[in-house]
Amino acid sequence: AQTVTQSQPEMSVQEAETVTLSCTYDTSESDYYLFWYKQPPSRQMILVIRQEAYKQQNATENRFSVNFQKAAKSFSLKISDSQLGDAAMYFCAYRTLYTSGTYKYIFGTGTRLKVLA
Amino acid sequence: KAGVTQTPRYLIKTRGQQVTLSCSPISGHRSVSWYQQTPGQGLQFLFEYFSETQRNKGNFPGRFSGRQFSNSRSEMNVSTLELGDSALYLCASSPGTSEYNEQFFGPGTRLTVL
Repeated sequence: AQTVTQSQPEMSVQEAETVTLSCTYDTSESDYYLFWYKQPPSRQMILVIRQEAYKQQNATENRFSVNFQKAAKSFSLKISDSQLGDAAMYFCAYRTLYTSGTYKYIFGTGTRLKVLA
Repeated sequence: KAGVTQTPRYLIKTRGQQVTLSCSPISGHRSVSWYQQTPGQGLQFLFEYFSETQRNKGNFPGRFSGRQFSNSRSEMNVSTLELGDSALYLCASSPGTSEYNEQFFGPGTRLTVL
């Protein structure tokens, strides 16, 4: 069975600084997807960034980038130039391939990011 | 396009009661997944429905059940509520028919069991 571990329950970053959130996972599969989701306080969860395991290049979305280390089963999220609006709970998620007409997601326990003005 | 909606947003129940939560997916989406979110546990997958059929199921007791209607709206039912069922229940919709399907989450229903 796959597992996702986020070992940092809470992180703080100064506005305009850079912060890295950690995520490790365990799987015996060779192909899969990895995601970072953001859940702002009292607001809906939204997708921040995704990575296909077969792609060696790290995904980037504006100020958000990942460091995907497949052999180490590590998938960290880097937020550059942190803004107050980045304050949220961040979830790392693993998704299986779409096989036999189905797939499943496994989420980590989340990291609460505080941004200090 | 309207997003995923969930009703009610808040619920307070007592132990032993049952509750029904509703989720309306994005128009055209046929897959609806349900998750339980609790502090320290993150999101735990309950089940997924696609075209009125349960396609996937997590490791929750039989007190948790669901269904999906022909218009893709889904309901989740929890019977004989326990204090530990207090949580934020999220639903997520997606097209559900191809290799990559982004999940779109609703705002959640916060259930408190007293």
